[in-house]
Amino acid sequence: NAGVTQTPKFQVLKTGQSMTLQCAQDMNHEYMSWYRQDPGMGLRLIHYSVGAGITDQGEVPNGYNVSRSTTEDFPLRLLSAAPSQTSVYFCASSYDVGRNDNEQFFGPGTRLTVL
Amino acid sequence: AQKVTQAQTEISVVEKEDVTLDCVYETRDTTYYLFWYKQPPSGELVFLIRRNSFDEQNEISGRYSWNFQKSTSSFNFTITASQVVDSAVYFCALSEGVSNDYKLSFGAGTTVTVRA
Repeated sequence: NAGVTQTPKFQVLKTGQSMTLQCAQDMNHEYMSWYRQDPGMGLRLIHYSVGAGITDQGEVPNGYNVSRSTTEDFPLRLLSAAPSQTSVYFCASSYDVGRNDNEQFFGPGTRLTVL
Repeated sequence: AQKVTQAQTEISVVEKEDVTLDCVYETRDTTYYLFWYKQPPSGELVFLIRRNSFDEQNEISGRYSWNFQKSTSSFNFTITASQVVDSAVYFCALSEGVSNDYKLSFGAGTTVTVRA
């Protein structure tokens, strides 16, 4: 299993540009989430999905869109990039609830800089 | 309001010293889960432990141990006989409710530096 994969690893955008951060998992996990990590603030939840076709907003959703057309993929779209979106983005996935060993598996992260 | 507070921003110790990381959480739910993650300098997030609100037993895993106290809403983490490889940022996190493991609230993290 490759686990959770994210592409690209690094990206530089200009203000106003759009782009999609890719996230895929091969563990057949129902739940997937996007977080951003900023210095001194830990990780904050952007959007999450409890299954294909179902998404919802997290703590900091503004400026981002998501969709979940398959169980495996959960892309994050920046509609019009702003310098405030400079951050490290992590995708995570987890099993269905009820498992005693449940944990979130995190991808390696995408470092995004918006100029 | 911050749901998870890690008051220690940075801790620096000499190898073989013990180090305790504090985590205080806030929730109104009776069912919740607490987590610790490690983020080494390479940047990935490494899962360390998940504990549910009904299990207050302390846990030991090798040099790691966790002290969960509902009375003080704390879930502290101790590294015994620290090693240079323990240098990392450590995050405490909370998920609230029965089925919200995918919605974590993280603390700001504590940077641990272990000097040889």
